Amino acid sequence: QVQLVQSGAEVKKPGASVKVSCKASGYTFTNYPIHWVWQAPGQRLEWIGWIIPDNGNTKYSQKFQGRLTITRDTSASTAYMQLSSLRYEDTAVFFCTRGFDSSGYYGDAFDIWGQGTVVTVSS
Amino acid sequence: DIQMTQSPSTLSASVGDRVTITCRTSHSISSWLAWYQQRPGKAPKLLIYKASTLESGVPSRFSGSGSGTEFTLTISSLQPDDFATYFCQQYHSYSTFGQGTKVEIK
Repeated sequence: QVQLVQSGAEVKKPGASVKVSCKASGYTFTNYPIHWVWQAPGQRLEWIGWIIPDNGNTKYSQKFQGRLTITRDTSASTAYMQLSSLRYEDTAVFFCTRGFDSSGYYGDAFDIWGQGTVVTVSS
Repeated sequence: DIQMTQSPSTLSASVGDRVTITCRTSHSISSWLAWYQQRPGKAPKLLIYKASTLESGVPSRFSGSGSGTEFTLTISSLQPDDFATYFCQQYHSYSTFGQGTKVEIK
């Protein structure tokens, strides 16, 4: 069964960092890019970045440039999203998702999604 | 950035109704558009990609059409399981999402 399983909910203080994992199973991890998307309360989904597991290349949304790091461990078929210098407005659900229909301009459709990880930033 | 405008925001309908949701983009995206269904507290589910290609396993009552800057998602006969939120996504250049359409029971 093809799936992405994410790590559990996190509560962090402002200024801290959070690292969310996304474990792939049921397919060859290095064959598909992994994207990260977030959904703040009451807001639309927003793409934040991606990684190509085969070579580790990444691309980040300008909004998160400098605070976001996406990595992968191919031996564990796992991708990671780390967001630093957390702010109250970073409270959101973070999804990892598999891209499968790339347009060639960093755009992709997403066929498999993780269950989501709630990150709450609170003092 | 390519802006997405989805309408309506909310739609009240009955089982058996034909439902249409529209998505407009600020720039032409050819057919690089996907539609998703999302239930509260759950991850989105892919329904349609490349504007009109039905994802495997998705019921045929769902269909997508359009190209350029205007797209539609149609549910031909609404079923009880279809009451959810639907949103569009352009992936011509990076990815941006519509604000969603909540389909409610009338």
